[in-house]
Amino acid sequence: AQSVSQHNHHVILSEAASLELGCNYSYGGTVNLFWYVQYPGQHLQLLLKYFSGDPLVKGIKGFEAEFIKSKFSFNLRKPSVQWSDTAEYFCAVDSGGSNYKLTFGKGTLLTVNP
Amino acid sequence: DVKVTQSSRYLVKRTGEKVFLECVQDMDHENMFWYRQDPGLGLRLIYFSYDVKMKEKGDIPEGYSVSREKKERFSLILESASTNQTSMYLCASRDGRGGRGYTFGSGTRLTVV
Repeated sequence: AQSVSQHNHHVILSEAASLELGCNYSYGGTVNLFWYVQYPGQHLQLLLKYFSGDPLVKGIKGFEAEFIKSKFSFNLRKPSVQWSDTAEYFCAVDSGGSNYKLTFGKGTLLTVNP
Repeated sequence: DVKVTQSSRYLVKRTGEKVFLECVQDMDHENMFWYRQDPGLGLRLIYFSYDVKMKEKGDIPEGYSVSREKKERFSLILESASTNQTSMYLCASRDGRGGRGYTFGSGTRLTVV
């Protein structure tokens, strides 16, 4: 069974600091990878996704993620965070194919202090 | 854009009641999913379906059942609601041919008292 591990439960940064949130998955086959964000009181939103091709994926709001197949990792990065990036971030993976399911990590709460 | 609609934003039910959570999608997607979201636990998959009348157990199916009589509608059923089922419930759908990823509904916050 596939699983997703997010390394940090809560990350606290100051504005302009760089961000890297870790995500590792366990599944031996082809995967599709996702990062979602949930701002306080709001719905889940897709930040970025990786299906195939260039392992460096750019998403919305200046976020990017790099798929490293040998490390089973899909870490999320942003060079300079803003107060408005305060949110919960979820990494997710599905196993590809037509009858797949999306498995989420437990989430990382990011607090950005002004 | 694909739309996934959950019929209720907030629900309050009593322990022991039978509860139906409804989800409708408007893009003819084959795959539909029910998750619950709890603080510190992320989103956990309850049930999913990849076609009409088909269903598969997810990671936490106990205490729940589902129904998919029509392609666009996927219902989550709590046969006898309990307080530990108080949670945010999210429905999602995806085209079985792959492509654009998952579309989530806005969620139903269920409180069981």
